[in-house]
Amino acid sequence: NAGVMQNPRHLVRRRGQEARLRCSPMKGHSHVYWYRQLPEEGLKFMVYLQKENIIDESGMPKERFSAEFPKEGPSILRIQQVVRGDSAAYFCASSLSSKFTEQFFGPGTRLTVL
Amino acid sequence: AQSVTQLDSQVPVFEEAPVELRCNYSSSVSVYLFWYVQYPNQGLQLLLKYLSGSTLVKGINGFEAEFNKSQTSFHLRKPSVHISDTAEYFCAVSLPEGATNKLIFGTGTLLAVQP
Repeated sequence: NAGVMQNPRHLVRRRGQEARLRCSPMKGHSHVYWYRQLPEEGLKFMVYLQKENIIDESGMPKERFSAEFPKEGPSILRIQQVVRGDSAAYFCASSLSSKFTEQFFGPGTRLTVL
Repeated sequence: AQSVTQLDSQVPVFEEAPVELRCNYSSSVSVYLFWYVQYPNQGLQLLLKYLSGSTLVKGINGFEAEFNKSQTSFHLRKPSVHISDTAEYFCAVSLPEGATNKLIFGTGTLLAVQP
């Protein structure tokens, strides 16, 4: 069984460009979480999605950030007009159901904004 | 709101020595508690979790943790560490009730095992 897949693993963008981060959950998982890890900090929750629905986006910055989890294909975290402060590791996790089950984490995407 | 505090940013220890990584949390309601490990350039792996029941929880790789409600703590312990235990360790909480199971993390503790 493949685990949670994220790509790219490393992404370099210049200020003002767009960043698209992809997450394929584990087989059979329909719940996806995105977390951000800033340098020297712990992981911070950003958004929780189920197929085609955003359930909780309380951790998402109000502007420039969006997330989707379409019926077919991976979940996408999109950052428009990136700034240096967006440089971080972005982790995706998936779980089997809405009642508590273990969240399985991907290897992360490390975004560097020049 | 809930929060998690890991006071030790780094814990150096010699191989085969015991270790304790501290975690305290703040919450006005009951929480679930977790410890995750992150090896360099990898994602997080669940070490152990406390949902209910016995306050002493055993996890993978010989780790265990004890939930202490009165002290709002969930310290992680291992009686004898190996070089391969060198990694970042994160304590986290989530709420049993509510629409999401989002995890709230501490800032992490780097366990550095020396030969």
